[in-house]
Amino acid sequence: NAGVTQTPKFRILKIGQSMTLQCTQDMNHNYMYWYRQDPGMGLKLIYYSVGAGITDKGEVPNGYNVSRSTTEDFPLRLELAAPSQTSVYFCASSYFPVAESTDTQYFGPGTRLTVL
Amino acid sequence: KQEVTQIPAALSVPEGENLVLNCSFTDSAIYNLQWFRQDPGKGLTSLLLIQSSQREQTSGRLNASLDKSSGRSTLYIAASQPGDSATYLCAVYFIVRQAGTALIFGKGTTLSVSS
Repeated sequence: NAGVTQTPKFRILKIGQSMTLQCTQDMNHNYMYWYRQDPGMGLKLIYYSVGAGITDKGEVPNGYNVSRSTTEDFPLRLELAAPSQTSVYFCASSYFPVAESTDTQYFGPGTRLTVL
Repeated sequence: KQEVTQIPAALSVPEGENLVLNCSFTDSAIYNLQWFRQDPGKGLTSLLLIQSSQREQTSGRLNASLDKSSGRSTLYIAASQPGDSATYLCAVYFIVRQAGTALIFGKGTTLSVSS
């Protein structure tokens, strides 16, 4: 059981380039999330998904796109990279929909992205 | 809008000290609250999760408390060790559209324990 995996671990982009950050979970979780963490800050929610084919915006969605064609995969797309998108990106997943439970979100190891 | 604040931002202590990290949130209508540990350049490790109906959780030398009415949580670390040096993040769960949940994080407290 690998949990939540993310690729790549590191990436350097030039301004205006595009890339996709990959996220896969093998726990059969319906709920998946993308967060970004800027230096010295907490994580902020970019997008989330409550199941295949259903996605919604979080707190900081501008400049990103997501899709969810399968339960396992939740890729994050950057179309026109900007220096402001330099950050560490974390993917997470959870099983239960309701917060009043012992449910926890499981986090991937992160992707460190630099845009120059 | 829910905001999570952690105080202090940084803390340096000698080995063996007991210490308290503080977390406050603006909206007391939270669900679960979770404390994470993050080592430099690494991902998040879950330490303790407190359900909204609970007042505290314990794991080894760690004890987390939750007071929803006052909008506060504390993480108590007993007999600190150099291996405890890391950033500690507090996060609260909230409902997002379509009945999902997501986390709102504080900025963290960076702890340094010297031997």
